[in-house]
Amino acid sequence: EPEVTQTPSHQVTQMGQEVILRCVPISNHLYFYWYRQILGQKVEFLVSFYNNEISEKSEIFDDQFSVERPDGSNFTLKIRSTKLEDSAMYFCASSPDRYQPQHFGDGTRLSIL
Amino acid sequence: AQTVTQSQPEMSVQEAETVTLSCTYDTSESDYYLFWYKQPPSRQMILVIRQEAYKQQNATENRFSVNFQKAAKSFSLKISDSQLGDAAMYFCAYRQPYNTDKLIFGTGTRLQVFP
Repeated sequence: EPEVTQTPSHQVTQMGQEVILRCVPISNHLYFYWYRQILGQKVEFLVSFYNNEISEKSEIFDDQFSVERPDGSNFTLKIRSTKLEDSAMYFCASSPDRYQPQHFGDGTRLSIL
Repeated sequence: AQTVTQSQPEMSVQEAETVTLSCTYDTSESDYYLFWYKQPPSRQMILVIRQEAYKQQNATENRFSVNFQKAAKSFSLKISDSQLGDAAMYFCAYRQPYNTDKLIFGTGTRLQVFP
């Protein structure tokens, strides 16, 4: 069964650095999402992306964050000037349309030192 | 704003027994979707079951079934004939079908299965 794949599985970065988290959504899916889960807390929506633009974003998703679909397969989340509180598990998800369930990747654990 | 509450941080069940995980939600909408996702130690969140609010019939997927009580805003997950592989974190999630794509998650229930 097709899967959403995320790389790397674990990223360790110094505070203040930029980090790019990568995702390969399922190939025929058109809607892409990023969520994050701070340790011990609930999974939170960050952003949704469709037709090469952001369709919705949460209040968490400020100017520090950006998303991009640089080619036909990858979907990236860039975090600039990382802070300690950005440490979390980041999940990518995709769906064929907005009415179908979202399929999640394994997540990237981001640790900011 | 919509919220999802899972009041059981941890549950345990003996293999082959039945366990029910609770979920309540708050919304003023009449049309929405509800989901249960499973997150085993391997981390990938897997869709377990889905319920459309307009359907009165409770969704069932093999050993997994839900008890959807729309008036009470309750959406519990029943796992029958529990297996060791059912051990995971279970998240309840809510989504409106219109104007938004985001899933709203509960805090999760960690299920342990004992042999």
